Amino acid sequence: DVQLVESEGGLAQPGGSLRVSCAASGFTFSSYWMHWVRQAPGQGLVWVSYLNFDGGTTTYADSVKGRFTISRDNAKSMLYLQMNNLRAEDTAVYYCARANQRSGGAFDIWGQGTMVTVSA
Amino acid sequence: DIQMTQSPSSLSAFVGDRVTITCRASQSIGNFLNWYQQRPGKAPNLLIYGASSLQSGVPSRFSGTGSGADFTLTISSLQPEDFATYYCQQTYSIPRTFGQGTKVEI
Repeated sequence: DVQLVESEGGLAQPGGSLRVSCAASGFTFSSYWMHWVRQAPGQGLVWVSYLNFDGGTTTYADSVKGRFTISRDNAKSMLYLQMNNLRAEDTAVYYCARANQRSGGAFDIWGQGTMVTVSA
Repeated sequence: DIQMTQSPSSLSAFVGDRVTITCRASQSIGNFLNWYQQRPGKAPNLLIYGASSLQSGVPSRFSGTGSGADFTLTISSLQPEDFATYYCQQTYSIPRTFGQGTKVEI
């Protein structure tokens, strides 16, 4: 089956760090751009970051620029999001998503989501 | 950044109703418009890509139209499992912005 499975999130203190990961299976991971999307409790979907096939190109939402780092390991079919200097407003469910270029870049496969809570 | 605006923010409907949700982009995005369904506690699910192409496995009661800056998602006959929140998204440029969502309630 084609799937994305995210690691458990967790609790971090303001100013702390956390890394979430996303394991891909059932498809050629290195052939797809990958994205992170988050959703604060009771709120809508917000795009966070993306990287291209080999990780050589990355882009971030202004709200996380300079604090979050997206990366990938194509040999292991893994996607990562390193989150530093966390703030209360980063509290959200984080989803990894596959962008399918044959579908105009639509996000056709999503992970199950992982909850990240930032609180003292 | 391209802003996506959905309307309405919520609606109430009956099983069997025809439901229409609109999405407007702040600039022309061609047909780089996608629709997702999200049920409570679940990840979003792609319904429509390229403004009007039905994703594999999605029931044919879902359809999308539009191009440029104005788009529509239609559910021809609402089913109990369709009560959820729907999001539009543009994939014309980075950042890949979403609309604020439309909650479809019983």
